[in-house]
Amino acid sequence: KAGVTQTPRYLIKTRGQQVTLSCSPISGHRSVSWYQQTPGQGLQFLFEYFSETQRNKGNFPGRFSGRQFSNSRSEMNVSTLELGDSALYLCASSLDRVNEQFFGPGTRLTVL
Amino acid sequence: AQSVTQLDSHVSVSEGTPVLLRCNYSSSYSPSLFWYVQHPNKGLQLLLKYTSAATLVKGINGFEAEFKKSETSFHLTKPSAHMSDAAEYFCVVSDYRGSTLGRLYFGRGTQLTVWP
Repeated sequence: KAGVTQTPRYLIKTRGQQVTLSCSPISGHRSVSWYQQTPGQGLQFLFEYFSETQRNKGNFPGRFSGRQFSNSRSEMNVSTLELGDSALYLCASSLDRVNEQFFGPGTRLTVL
Repeated sequence: AQSVTQLDSHVSVSEGTPVLLRCNYSSSYSPSLFWYVQHPNKGLQLLLKYTSAATLVKGINGFEAEFKKSETSFHLTKPSAHMSDAAEYFCVVSDYRGSTLGRLYFGRGTQLTVWP
């Protein structure tokens, strides 16, 4: 079974731009979560989607948004990028909301 | 509220010697606990999980962890370190209840260095 895939793997943007990251979960998994990893803050929860609905949201500004499609694929969007948004963005999928999460390789976003 | 404290930010061992990575947790309910490993420029790989069955949990690559409720600890151990174990390790808690369902809480990580 293929693992969680994330595209693109690397992105370079400038301040003020917006970016969309994509995540394809393991086949059959219905829950997708997003996390931001930075050296200063560590791993922080962004949001979780299940059955196309956002079920949980972390403490991030409204510039961070996401969605989930009927095939469970998910996208996250960051608008008006700031330098501090530079991070590794990790997506994780789970069979449902109570099983372990499996992580993708991440998208490395650099904001200049 | 859930939280995790990894007591060491860096641990160095020689190849062939035991590994101990320490983790304390805080949870309002009966938690599920995990250890994940992250190799450089890679995603997170699940090493093992505790979900209220046996308190001694065996994982992949010879790692194991013991859940001690009285000490609120979930330390990760391995009898003999291998060079390939060098990576960053994260202790993670989730309680699968209510408003926090589906959310993982991560420790700050322990960087394991293995010397030849």
